[in-house]
Order: sequence, then C-alpha cells, then structure tokens
Amino acid sequence: AQKITQTQPGMFVQEKEAVTLDCTYDTSDQSYGLFWYKQPSSGEMIFLIYQGSYDEQNATEGRYSLNFQKARKSANLVISASQLGDSAMYFCAMREGNTNAGKSTFGDGTTLTVKP
Amino acid sequence: ETGVTQTPRHLVMGMTNKKSLKCEQHLGHNAMYWYKQSAKKPLELMFVYSLEERVENNSVPSRFSPECPNSSHLFLHLHTLQPEDSALYLCASSQDRQRPFGEQFFGPGTRLTVL
Repeated sequence: AQKITQTQPGMFVQEKEAVTLDCTYDTSDQSYGLFWYKQPSSGEMIFLIYQGSYDEQNATEGRYSLNFQKARKSANLVISASQLGDSAMYFCAMREGNTNAGKSTFGDGTTLTVKP
Repeated sequence: ETGVTQTPRHLVMGMTNKKSLKCEQHLGHNAMYWYKQSAKKPLELMFVYSLEERVENNSVPSRFSPECPNSSHLFLHLHTLQPEDSALYLCASSQDRQRPFGEQFFGPGTRLTVL
C-alpha cells in the first residue's frame, strides 16, 4: 500500500487566490512527521512546512498552512494568495521509524500552475 | 558555501565508466541521504546515514555504492550503470537525534545521463 497519496497530479489556481493540495498518509507509528516540499523547474527541493503527529495546532509558515486531520490521516497544504512564483511541483512526505534518521517516504507530487 | 552542495551538477557517462557524486552539507547536521528522482516516478530513498553509520539501504543495486567519511560529506560511487539509472540524484541532510524528525535540506541535485 502506498504510504503517501497525492491524488491531484495537476492543479491550476488564479493568482491571488488560495489553493489546497491534498495529501493522505498511512502509518502504524504513533510518532511521525509530515512535511511539504516545493520543487521548481530548477530541480532543488525546498522545505515549506512541518507537522508533527503530536502537534495539536495546525502548522503555519507565512502563506503556507497545513490542514492536519489525524483521524483521517490527511495533511493538506493550503497556499493563500497564490503568486506566479508558486508554480512548481509540490511533494508531501512522511518520516517515521525507529532509527535516528527515520524513514522518508514521498508522494508522487502535484504540479501547481498559477495563472496570471 | 552554505546549505547542501552537490557536484557535479550534470554528468554523462557510459555504461562501463566509474564516476562519483559528491555531496557536502554546511549545516552541522548529523544525517545525510541519497534520493533518486526519475521522470514520472516518486522520489526514491536510496541510502541513509546517521552519525556516519548507514542505517538504511532500500534494496539499491550494488552498482551504487555510498560512502560517508564524516558527517559533512557523502559520496555515491557509480560503476557499470544502466540507461535506466539516468535520473536526478538528490542529496539531503537533517539534524536528527530522536523523534520528531527534523526537516531535510536538499542539494540542487546531479542530473545523471547514462548512455
């Protein structure tokens, strides 16, 4: 079974509007971390936001917020006031496991296109 | 230099060549990772080193050989590769001791083409 599922291969949003990118995950661990990364066409992966499984509040970082619904095992990324520079591939990821560095799993990604 | 650097940025090699990818992190992190990103495939974790000890090897073929001489440097030695090994190879680092795990910082990647 896939550990991280991103059901939207591609999304379009109008500039200045908000957009939600979906992510669901599967784990039996009680302690895990959920991450979102942005990958522009240049290829570099850029960390956006983190949510720990025990965090009670939804994470926010500037225009990014994470809608964490633990019971549903979903961790959707919300980008407010979209900008043209937000056009990129977005990856949801989870880290779990017993080793110090954990095991990382990434979703297939969602390509976001912001229209002017 | 800051962050995570990778060299070379682009590499073209024949199937009989031997080459190495280099990654260096300037963040004082204690864990480093190699990922493979192929077209139309999710990011695949290849190797994880924590405190210079390999803790994860995700069934990667032996033609890929990692080396972590210290906490700042990570190498991926390549030999007798196949054309399907052509991909973007990303290095990452993180500061991890116990859970919750820290975010990973990625390098710019090496675009590898195997002819």
